[in-house]
Amino acid sequence: DAGITQSPRHKVTETGTPVTLRCHQTENHRYMYWYRQDPGHGLRLIHYSYGVKDTDKGEVSDGYSVSRSKTEDFLLTLESATSSQTSVYFCAISEGLGETQYFGPGTRLLVL
Amino acid sequence: DAKTTQPPSMDCAEGRAANLPCNHSTISGNEYVYWYRQIHSQGPQYIIHGLKNNETNEMASLIITEDRKSSTLILPHATLRDTAVYYCIVRFLTQGAQKLVFGQGTRLTINP
Repeated sequence: DAGITQSPRHKVTETGTPVTLRCHQTENHRYMYWYRQDPGHGLRLIHYSYGVKDTDKGEVSDGYSVSRSKTEDFLLTLESATSSQTSVYFCAISEGLGETQYFGPGTRLLVL
Repeated sequence: DAKTTQPPSMDCAEGRAANLPCNHSTISGNEYVYWYRQIHSQGPQYIIHGLKNNETNEMASLIITEDRKSSTLILPHATLRDTAVYYCIVRFLTQGAQKLVFGQGTRLTINP
């Protein structure tokens, strides 16, 4: 399995609080992605990164921001969490553009 | 976007070959077919991918029809641990990123 870890694995928070999820990889892959998975919607791309400090929006980016200061870490921040952001969040990595994506174990986030 | 159609569920006996079909009639010439699976609560796991030719790896075989409008994932000797949701995905590039669109998948149950 690709060396991808996500932290925390589970989190419960309250509406309006900031939340940061971390994705860490040991593969030195250039591309990193954040997806969310919800019943009836499958996995949807939130943001992705194509290098240190290089990020772009996915299809459901509203309410989320990301940062990548090091190759190995990709952070997803919910500035002010809402109940609609309750979901399972997956990080993925790929070596290059068009290469296979490998997924992390996921973070379950519950916003009350 | 090329869409995929999969049966919602399938059953297979342990030790037998599991054949999972996928239709992707609108696939374009440069789009790959990917297969992932997701075991309950875990991150999606990459299985195999192909463009035109049949492919085989240690996990599975992928058979793509000559017109590329459909494909079949074959698990040659299914085990109980192969029980999962299997996703057939057509990968395409958008705005500099590889986007994977996960549909509803096929829930495969391996029976003892």
